[in-house]
Amino acid sequence: EVQLVESGGGLVQPGGSLRLSCAASGFTFSNHWMHWVRQAPGKGLVWVSLINSDGSSTNYADSVKGRFTISRDNAKNTLYLQMNSLRAEDTAVYYCVRDLSGSYWGQGTLVTVSS
Amino acid sequence: DIVMTQTPLSSPVTLGQPASISCRSSQSLVHSDGNTYLSWLQQRPGQPPRLLIYEISNRFSGVPDRFSGSGAGTDFTLKISRVEAEDVGVYYCMQGTQFPCTFGPGTKLEIK
Repeated sequence: EVQLVESGGGLVQPGGSLRLSCAASGFTFSNHWMHWVRQAPGKGLVWVSLINSDGSSTNYADSVKGRFTISRDNAKNTLYLQMNSLRAEDTAVYYCVRDLSGSYWGQGTLVTVSS
Repeated sequence: DIVMTQTPLSSPVTLGQPASISCRSSQSLVHSDGNTYLSWLQQRPGQPPRLLIYEISNRFSGVPDRFSGSGAGTDFTLKISRVEAEDVGVYYCMQGTQFPCTFGPGTKLEIK
């Protein structure tokens, strides 16, 4: 069974940092592109970043470019999102997602940026 | 960026009746590899999104056959042949053809 389990969310002050993790299981992690997608409370889905299967290529939404870094450790079957210089507008549930099609989604981890 | 629009944004439907949601992209979603990376996702209340349809018309594993997708180029449709109570939620189209990936605003399906 495919499982994606996010962790690392929480309350952080504006300007602070957080590192999200996504533990993958039930499939060959190193064969799949992975994304982060976020959803602000009561709002729609917004794509954040993606990384190809071997980690050699990444892409970011303009709103997070230069502040967020996506990475992966295929030996540990884990996807990461390093988030720096956090802003109130980054408050959202962050989902780890497999494949360009959005085939599997984790349950999400809530990031709250507030003083 | 490719802009995705959906109509309607809200759809009250009677149980057992059909429902249809349209999605339009601001540019063609045909990728240089020949595929069209247009997906439909369902988000039930309090749940993460779930993939229903990928590459326009391919039903994902475990998705009931009352869900179907069609379209080409810039115009796409999700149809539910007979709405059931468990279909209540928000439906999103999503394109993965061109980065950044983008989502439609969502269509809220509710029971009359």
